[in-house]
Amino acid sequence: GAGVSQSPSNKVTEKGKDVELRCDPISGHTALYWYRQSLGQGLEFLIYFQGNSAPDKSGLPSDRFSAERTGGSVSTLTIQRTQQEDSAVYLCASSLVGTPGNTIYFGEGSWLTVV
Amino acid sequence: SQKIEQNSEALNIQEGKTATLTCNYTNYSPAYLQWYRQDPGRGPVFLLLIRENEKEKRKERLKVTFDTTLKQSLFHITASQPADSATYLCALDQGNDYKLSFGAGTTVTVRA
Repeated sequence: GAGVSQSPSNKVTEKGKDVELRCDPISGHTALYWYRQSLGQGLEFLIYFQGNSAPDKSGLPSDRFSAERTGGSVSTLTIQRTQQEDSAVYLCASSLVGTPGNTIYFGEGSWLTVV
Repeated sequence: SQKIEQNSEALNIQEGKTATLTCNYTNYSPAYLQWYRQDPGRGPVFLLLIRENEKEKRKERLKVTFDTTLKQSLFHITASQPADSATYLCALDQGNDYKLSFGAGTTVTVRA
């Protein structure tokens, strides 16, 4: 597609339930990033995928969070046993390659509310 | 890790004036510093990138400066327009190839 596509755009879930957020990066982009943005806060790095290399998971806040990228394209971020503090906007981004100076293109985000 | 501070208060300016936003960082100087624009309910959009060996970069009505001695970047919007109203985010690398650290952003409102 023309841009980074994320789904769902909005998700309300009950505490304790699992959620899956999907990201479809720009075609041909080998680097894919997940960030989280809480109200009034800066973007928090979660995870990074580059081609077939092992992902950098250093930003994942707990073991309830996981992500995978299938076939070097679509990525899914999974949050298990959701907590209220998980409520945030989850932003996916992609870039042509993961090198300094590369423009990162963001999707519109998935707004997650845990009630 | 890198700490980034942007103008803590929202910026309200009159149309036609210049808006100046600051981005201060601690620790090491990044190789690249980037500015993004974010509209309500939307993802950030890349605006400008400046390298550590560049003092100034311009794009249309936007100007970015980078002072590695002061550990500061300034972002200017000249001849501001109501359409410039948005939140502007400063981002810089964490010393590796790909991770960007983002500031919390400064919200700019341009009054007609």
